[in-house]
Amino acid sequence: SQTIHQWPATLVQPVGSPLSLECTVEGTSNPNLYWYRQAAGRGLQLLFYSVGIGQISSEVPQNLSASRPQDRQFILSSKKLLLSDSGFYLCAWMTGDSYEQYFGPGTRLTVT
Amino acid sequence: GENVEQHPSTLSVQEGDSAVIKCTYSDSASNYFPWYKQELGKGPQLIIDIRSNVGEKKDQRIAVTLNKTAKHFSLHITETQPEDSAVYFCAATSVSGFQKLVFGTGTRLLVSP
Repeated sequence: SQTIHQWPATLVQPVGSPLSLECTVEGTSNPNLYWYRQAAGRGLQLLFYSVGIGQISSEVPQNLSASRPQDRQFILSSKKLLLSDSGFYLCAWMTGDSYEQYFGPGTRLTVT
Repeated sequence: GENVEQHPSTLSVQEGDSAVIKCTYSDSASNYFPWYKQELGKGPQLIIDIRSNVGEKKDQRIAVTLNKTAKHFSLHITETQPEDSAVYFCAATSVSGFQKLVFGTGTRLLVSP
């Protein structure tokens, strides 16, 4: 069966510090991968999606970036965090022939 | 692009009652409509979905209905239990981009014992 992992689970970082969040998927090949951000009590904002290694599409201009160095690994990064980057970051995967998206457990980021 | 509206934003029911959450979408070309349940501090969980060639789908106490003409779909939960308390999100496929989902703003369901 397929599983999706995210780490760390929680993170507290000062403004201006770098960020690296990791997502890995097991049990499937060539998935579409997605990064979402969820502000407290709000909906899901799509940040990036990827259909293959090295292929990244950005949905919202911001100081975040994403990379996909391996088929089942998706990384969200920032060189300098802003207070507004605080939120709950969710990774999701989808098989290429289906619209069913499955989410990971999320990373709670607090920028202080 | 696709736009999904979800109502109500909060819903309080007594245990055993039914709960209905409604969503409307804007693009008639959307063809897949999932529902997610998100418990506090966790990632959303896919609980049921429906495709545009089906009008209704049921899975035990939950059901989803789709009205393509009116461009709306609904989640029905019968015999609600306290463990049904969570935030529920609807979504629709975005036809302006590659296999993306557009989400509603969520409904916080509270089931009181």
